[in-house]
Amino acid sequence: QVQLVQSGAEVKKPGASVKVSCKASGYTFTAYYIHWLRQVPGQGLEWVGCLSPTSDDRGYAPDFQDRVTMTSDLSLSTGYMDLTRLKSDDTAVYYCAILRDGFTIDSWGQGTLVTVAS
Amino acid sequence: QLVLTQSPSASASLGASVKLTCTLSSGHSTYAIAWHQQQPGKGPRCLMKVTSDGSHNKGDGIPDRFSGSSSGAERYLTISSLQSEDEADYFCQTWDTGIVVFGGGTRLTVL
Repeated sequence: QVQLVQSGAEVKKPGASVKVSCKASGYTFTAYYIHWLRQVPGQGLEWVGCLSPTSDDRGYAPDFQDRVTMTSDLSLSTGYMDLTRLKSDDTAVYYCAILRDGFTIDSWGQGTLVTVAS
Repeated sequence: QLVLTQSPSASASLGASVKLTCTLSSGHSTYAIAWHQQQPGKGPRCLMKVTSDGSHNKGDGIPDRFSGSSSGAERYLTISSLQSEDEADYFCQTWDTGIVVFGGGTRLTVL
């Protein structure tokens, strides 16, 4: 079955960068975009962006456009999200996910808590 | 721009049924959506996809107590025989013009 396994929790200082990984298994990694989403504590879900593992086609939400970079390593079936110039309100759980029908999320990673604090 | 609207809260008694609603904004009534459940302190899991004709496609291991349906621009999630573990946030989701879109979520309380 499809599994998306993310890297562990991170604590970062304001202004630093964080890189979160998402290792995929149970499907052909190159077949679907990897999406990244986040959930600030006590709030709803927010789309950060997505990446095609094959074409390097990317789409980023406007709020993150200048601070996020998404990449992938085909040999490891792993996607990465790199967020720079961290601020305290970037403290959130970050999730990876795939949309096999192109519209609806059918599989989620377990989430990675990123805490930004001085 | 597509907007998904949900009531912020709902409640029902143990063993009863509840029907949650997700409303698609004008011009998007044919869109399929997915329902996701997020139990306290856990990550989301996909319950099912619901299409405009009311058909639904459940995720692996989702109990028969969960079902989906549609009417016009509304997509429904019905949970029957409510159990304590159904107390959770439920949110709808779809994709439009390159962006994943979420409803605000409904917090379900099981009394």
